[in-house]
Amino acid sequence: DVKVTQSSRYLVKRTGEKVFLECVQDMDHENMFWYRQDPGLGLRLIYFSYDVKMKEKGDIPEGYSVSREKKERFSLILESASTNQTSMYLCASSPRQVEEKLFFGSGTQLSVL
Amino acid sequence: DAKTTQPPSMDCAEGRAANLPCNHSTISGNEYVYWYRQIHSQGPQYIIHGLKNNETNEMASLIITEDRKSSTLILPHATLRDTAVYYCIVRRHGGKLIFGQGTELSVKP
Repeated sequence: DVKVTQSSRYLVKRTGEKVFLECVQDMDHENMFWYRQDPGLGLRLIYFSYDVKMKEKGDIPEGYSVSREKKERFSLILESASTNQTSMYLCASSPRQVEEKLFFGSGTQLSVL
Repeated sequence: DAKTTQPPSMDCAEGRAANLPCNHSTISGNEYVYWYRQIHSQGPQYIIHGLKNNETNEMASLIITEDRKSSTLILPHATLRDTAVYYCIVRRHGGKLIFGQGTELSVKP
């Protein structure tokens, strides 16, 4: 069964901490994405990547960075966590040929106190 | 990308067909219609997509009107496990998927 795995289901961090959210996919997909989901706002795209060492800003990149050193792994980094970054974070991947057919992980619920 | 309008919620009896409407009256010729769903506490799941013709797969059928201004997702025999939020998304090839509020479908016994 194909899988997108996010390292933590729940995470609690303090304001100002550096936070790493990890995502691994086993489908050999070229494309990987990070979204956040908030009540009333839906899913919003933070960053995406079409290849190793490549990244593109999504709609809300401020306060975030990403790293893609290997094809299967896409990390989201909160350089200095703030309370307004409390959210559900969802990672997704898709094949190059069918970019819009996304496979999502189960999400990481991050609370910043 | 064209805007979509979906009812915020719908109910369906278990075993009956669930018909989820989506309005996309400003859709342009090169934009596709996608459907995803999100079961509680899970990430969204791709269901189906189409451009002009009706489409069917193992999960659902997608009916697109001839003028392409609206579409309907059909779950032919809804089960309790189909209870989820269903997202209708219109996207041009190469564009980003933008998830709106969707329709919350409740399948009841």
